[in-house]
Amino acid sequence: DAGVTQSPTHLIKTRGQQVTLRCSPKSGHDTVSWYQQALGQGPQFIFQYYEEEERQRGNFPDRFSGHQFPNYSSELNVNALLLGDSALYLCASSLQGMRTNEKLFFGSGTQLSVL
Amino acid sequence: LAKTTQPISMDSYEGQEVNITCSHNNIATNDYITWYQQFPSQGPRFIIQGYKTKVTNEVASLFIPADRKSSTLSLPRVSLSDTAVYYCLVGPSGNTGKLIFGQGTTLQVKP
Repeated sequence: DAGVTQSPTHLIKTRGQQVTLRCSPKSGHDTVSWYQQALGQGPQFIFQYYEEEERQRGNFPDRFSGHQFPNYSSELNVNALLLGDSALYLCASSLQGMRTNEKLFFGSGTQLSVL
Repeated sequence: LAKTTQPISMDSYEGQEVNITCSHNNIATNDYITWYQQFPSQGPRFIIQGYKTKVTNEVASLFIPADRKSSTLSLPRVSLSDTAVYYCLVGPSGNTGKLIFGQGTTLQVKP
């Protein structure tokens, strides 16, 4: 049973560029959430996708956008990269409508460095 | 979502029991308490969740007093591999996917 997979594992970009990060959820899961984790901080919620639509959004600018595909995989896009966007980007999957409360499964993340 | 307060760091030795306490004074009636563990360069991993009293699983116990304004994660007989950051989160039940993480507690286990 495959867990949450993210690609690439590491990425280096320069300011102003655009980046796309990818996530495949755990088998059987249909909901994907994205988090940004700066060095030494806890993860910060960016947004969540379910049924190919953005369902919730955290306090992130419109430069951060996403997409979910029919197979439940997801992409996170960041435009006009800033130095402050350097962080570990985590994808978490879950099953919508679970009655057993929050238990997200996280991937190992994509480490993005903006120079 | 309720704010949590936990120690920034803790030290322990192998074989000891470690208790990490989290304060959540404004926890709501429908909030659950959840703990995650995170190793460097990995995503957080669910450890345990509870609503009240005591919950135990194969890796930890969670103690929640009657007023639910705090909770304690207990790790029995820690090993070096338990060195990690531990996050306490509170939030409503249901699959919202939106977890609010604080800075967490960095546990350093020494030989």
